[in-house]
Amino acid sequence: GAVVSQHPSWVICKSGTSVKIECRSLDFQATTMFWYRQFPKQSLMLMATSNEGSKATYEQGVEKDKFLINHASLTLSTLTVTSAHPEDSSFYICSAPSPRTSGLQTQYFGPGTRLLVL
Amino acid sequence: EDQVTQSPEALRLQEGESSSLNCSYTVSGLRGLFWYRQDPGKGPEFLFTLYSAGEEKEKERLKATLTKKESFLHITAPKPEDSATYLCAVQTSGGSYIPTFGRGTSLIVHP
Repeated sequence: GAVVSQHPSWVICKSGTSVKIECRSLDFQATTMFWYRQFPKQSLMLMATSNEGSKATYEQGVEKDKFLINHASLTLSTLTVTSAHPEDSSFYICSAPSPRTSGLQTQYFGPGTRLLVL
Repeated sequence: EDQVTQSPEALRLQEGESSSLNCSYTVSGLRGLFWYRQDPGKGPEFLFTLYSAGEEKEKERLKATLTKKESFLHITAPKPEDSATYLCAVQTSGGSYIPTFGRGTSLIVHP
């Protein structure tokens, strides 16, 4: 299957700092990528859709000025958590739809980034 | 509103004890249903896609089935390495191809 990577895999930062998370599709191009947030024992919560060449689309309740998304190329999307606070601590996961050949596009997920804000 | 409900929330099995996980859905029009496996601290790993009622797919000890209202993930003679959270997601024909996820079933298989 298609491979999606994330970097870093975990990060600890002080309150008030900004953190950038990268999501890369390694063996395919993705004009769209998705960013999710997952709390312990909870399901994936979609935060935003990252679109190459245009602005990201944010889900209701997600602050676009706090979670900056940039889809720099067909293989890279970044999520920047600005002025992070302890409540931003979570597991952030990106996904990219597989190249469309036939049928549905499967979402392939990155390994996730654990963020801890002190 | 599209809804995906997974049950049970948690399941403990003895090694070799077969069982099934359930994913029931209420959607306007189903384009496809996905099953994923998620290990602690990792992203979901794709398992299956099911498109229409009556379809079945198998992979090792796992078999996924689909009806018009629900999907089952059957685990035959599970092993401890099958322990994980299993997520179900649906994609509807409403236009958006963003899947809606259930909350998952946490499976623990004891040796």
